[in-house]
Amino acid sequence: DAKTTQPPSMDCAEGRAANLPCNHSTISGNEYVYWYRQIHSQGPQYIIHGLKNNETNEMASLIITEDRKSSTLILPHATLRDTAVYYCIASETGANNLFFGTGTRLTVIP
Amino acid sequence: KAGVTQTPRYLIKTRGQQVTLSCSPISGHRSVSWYQQTPGQGLQFLFEYFSETQRNKGNFPGRFSGRQFSNSRSEMNVSTLELGDSALYLCASSLGTVKIKGEKLFFGSGTQLSVL
Repeated sequence: DAKTTQPPSMDCAEGRAANLPCNHSTISGNEYVYWYRQIHSQGPQYIIHGLKNNETNEMASLIITEDRKSSTLILPHATLRDTAVYYCIASETGANNLFFGTGTRLTVIP
Repeated sequence: KAGVTQTPRYLIKTRGQQVTLSCSPISGHRSVSWYQQTPGQGLQFLFEYFSETQRNKGNFPGRFSGRQFSNSRSEMNVSTLELGDSALYLCASSLGTVKIKGEKLFFGSGTQLSVL
């Protein structure tokens, strides 16, 4: 799986959009971009994934650049409960031997 | 639908002992993966089981082992515990068929193991 690079931490004001970037310049054509988040002392929670096209679900939007070398996770209206570590992962299967890296610690500020 | 269930939630052991952790996947999921999470190393893949067979293994010593039963429930065992084995052990389940690309993992809340 391709390695990903994320900023170690970010702050976001409550109610504003949180935009979390991820660099995956060596991603292969078969690898999906996944986002998980982990709230303190809980297991990671799946957020969204995509291959080429932008994706949206009830939790977030995923914007993938045309060359697929980077992506952005967007939480449209951040709440305090969105404070967590967010992991960007590149994986072909999405289920085997995922490399989580260090992620981005997002703090939503009241 | 019940989520992934891990037991026990907390465990305290002493060096040299062994421990067995249990994981019940989501109903219908056939793949179970185990991860170790420590402050220093982050989340690290231990192994994955599918249909009672180990399908993938991470870079951990042989003291770490696992198994999966016919009902997809899984256990992992750590023998001869060391202080460095103190960690949050997470189990995740997925449908598991290799024909599905872009699978999602569903994690349990983990077992917090403390080795004294």
